[in-house]
Amino acid sequence: GQQVMQIPQYQHVQEGEDFTTYCNSSTTLSNIQWYKQRPGGHPVFLIQLVKSGEVKKQKRLTFQFGEAKKNSSLHITATQTTDVGTYFCAAPGGSNYQLIWGAGTKLIIKP
Amino acid sequence: NAGVTQTPKFQVLKTGQSMTLQCAQDMNHNSMYWYRQDPGMGLRLIYYSASEGTTDKGEVPNGYNVSRLNKREFSLRLESAAPSQTSVYFCASSLRASGSVGDTQYFGPGTRLTVL
Repeated sequence: GQQVMQIPQYQHVQEGEDFTTYCNSSTTLSNIQWYKQRPGGHPVFLIQLVKSGEVKKQKRLTFQFGEAKKNSSLHITATQTTDVGTYFCAAPGGSNYQLIWGAGTKLIIKP
Repeated sequence: NAGVTQTPKFQVLKTGQSMTLQCAQDMNHNSMYWYRQDPGMGLRLIYYSASEGTTDKGEVPNGYNVSRLNKREFSLRLESAAPSQTSVYFCASSLRASGSVGDTQYFGPGTRLTVL
């Protein structure tokens, strides 16, 4: 079945360093969504990307959708402790009622 | 406006016991979903309901049943719990179809289930 591969599984950074997570699909996606899950919490929607080559920014977060609409990335500049959590990408699956989720990238801030 | 609520928050079962997880949303959404999340893993869809009166299997439906009681409520039942069903269960809802442009999923706080 359709899969969305997300890497890396974990990323340890010092506070103030940058963080990036990547999602890849073997098929063209109509859109891709990004969610954040704080430790012990539930996923919360961050953004949806729709257009080829789209770049959107939310403060220190930059989201990109590839030209071929098969890959996407989330980049956080100058991480803060409030950024800790797991970031997931998700894309439509067999039907528009289903989202296929990446495995998530856990952002860990080194003490 | 509570969003998506789930009960209970925590549950411990013995193998073979049954239970029902409750979910309700007050956003007038049409679609509702049940996921499980195992430690260090992503979300796997168990069942979904595109609209009141319909339910469909997701990726991992075996061992579960669902009921879309009305537009607000969507319950998940474990008939005979097994240790492999130890997980965190999330309910979610979306206005129409969450894979559509302009739509998204809203999650409840989750139920942490342990099966001994």
